[in-house]
Amino acid sequence: SQTIHQWPATLVQPVGSPLSLECTVEGTSNPNLYWYRQAAGRGLQLLFYSVGIGQISSEVPQNLSASRPQDRQFILSSKKLLLSDSGFYLCAWSMTENTEAFFGQGTRLTVV
Amino acid sequence: GQNIDQPTEMTATEGAIVQINCTYQTSGFNGLFWYQQHAGEAPTFLSYNVLDGLEEKGRFSSFLSRSKGYSYLLLKELQMKDSASYLCAAMDSNYQLIWGAGTKLIIKP
Repeated sequence: SQTIHQWPATLVQPVGSPLSLECTVEGTSNPNLYWYRQAAGRGLQLLFYSVGIGQISSEVPQNLSASRPQDRQFILSSKKLLLSDSGFYLCAWSMTENTEAFFGQGTRLTVV
Repeated sequence: GQNIDQPTEMTATEGAIVQINCTYQTSGFNGLFWYQQHAGEAPTFLSYNVLDGLEEKGRFSSFLSRSKGYSYLLLKELQMKDSASYLCAAMDSNYQLIWGAGTKLIIKP
């Protein structure tokens, strides 16, 4: 069966520090991968998605970036965090573009 | 623009039935998803509708009317563990999901 791992679960980082969140999927090949951010009281905001290694589409211009160095690995990064980057970050995968997505446990990021 | 509307919060009684409505406006349509999200946890998939009508899965059912841009999630025989947020998401013609802010469902004994 397929599983998705996302870590860390919680993170407190100072303003201006770098960020690296990692997500890996097991039990499937060539999944579609997604990074979302969820703010309190708002819908999930798609940040990045990837349909293959090295293929990244950005939905929202900001100081975040994503990379997919391996088929089942998706990384969210920032060189310098802002206070506004605080939120709940979710990694997800799907078999195809029009099938349901399965989410990782999420990372609660607090920038102080 | 693209938009999803669903109530912010609903309250229901254990053992009862509750219907959570969702209306959507998207550029094209490739289906409607419902997810359940417990506080502090990740969303989990509940249902997918792409054709008009009712899809039933145990205590949960989901309905879609494409002509009205409307869906609902029906929860029967409510249990305390059903207390969660329920997220509605519509997929547009580019296969992008447009997410609602979620409906927080509070179950009272």
